[in-house]
Amino acid sequence: AQKITQTQPGMFVQEKEAVTLDCTYDTSDPSYGLFWYKQPSSGEMIFLIYQGSYDQQNATEGRYSLNFQKARKSANLVISASQLGDSAMYFCAMREGGRGSTLGRLYFGRGTQLTVWP
Amino acid sequence: SQTIHQWPATLVQPVGSPLSLECTVEGTSNPNLYWYRQAAGRGLQLLFYSVGIGQISSEVPQNLSASRPQDRQFILSSKKLLLSDSGFYLCAWADRTIGNTIYFGEGSWLTVV
Repeated sequence: AQKITQTQPGMFVQEKEAVTLDCTYDTSDPSYGLFWYKQPSSGEMIFLIYQGSYDQQNATEGRYSLNFQKARKSANLVISASQLGDSAMYFCAMREGGRGSTLGRLYFGRGTQLTVWP
Repeated sequence: SQTIHQWPATLVQPVGSPLSLECTVEGTSNPNLYWYRQAAGRGLQLLFYSVGIGQISSEVPQNLSASRPQDRQFILSSKKLLLSDSGFYLCAWADRTIGNTIYFGEGSWLTVV
């Protein structure tokens, strides 16, 4: 079974609008972390936001927020006020084992290609 | 601040030739280090990770090997490249104290011809 599922191969959004990128995950570990990464065409992986499984509030980082619905096992990324520079591939990832885990293995989804148009 | 660099950025190698990709982290000590490979249309596959000098764990059997000769240096190698080794390789590090976030290098494009 897929650990991370991103069902949207591509998304389009107009500049200054908000967009939600979907992510569902599968784990039986009660302790885990969820991540979103941005990968522009240059290939570099850029960390955006992190949500721990025990965190009570949804994570926010500037224009990025993570809509964490634990019972549904979903961790959708919301980008507010989209900018042209947001056009990139976005990956959802999960790390089992919680804080301080030395393994650091991350399970990645297949990604969503976001295109922002003027 | 911490930085991570990997090189070369692009590489075209003939089948059967050796490979060496290098990765260096600055601004931290005793990091966890990782090598990932990204195939087209897919997410990242963890190849190797290291929690200390000389300590290497392999995730999948393959034609590659990794070494960590110094605390902040991680090297991905192959003695004889295969066509299937072509891809985008990413080095990454994580602060062991925090342990939550993994930061990636710029990546290396390898084409085996």
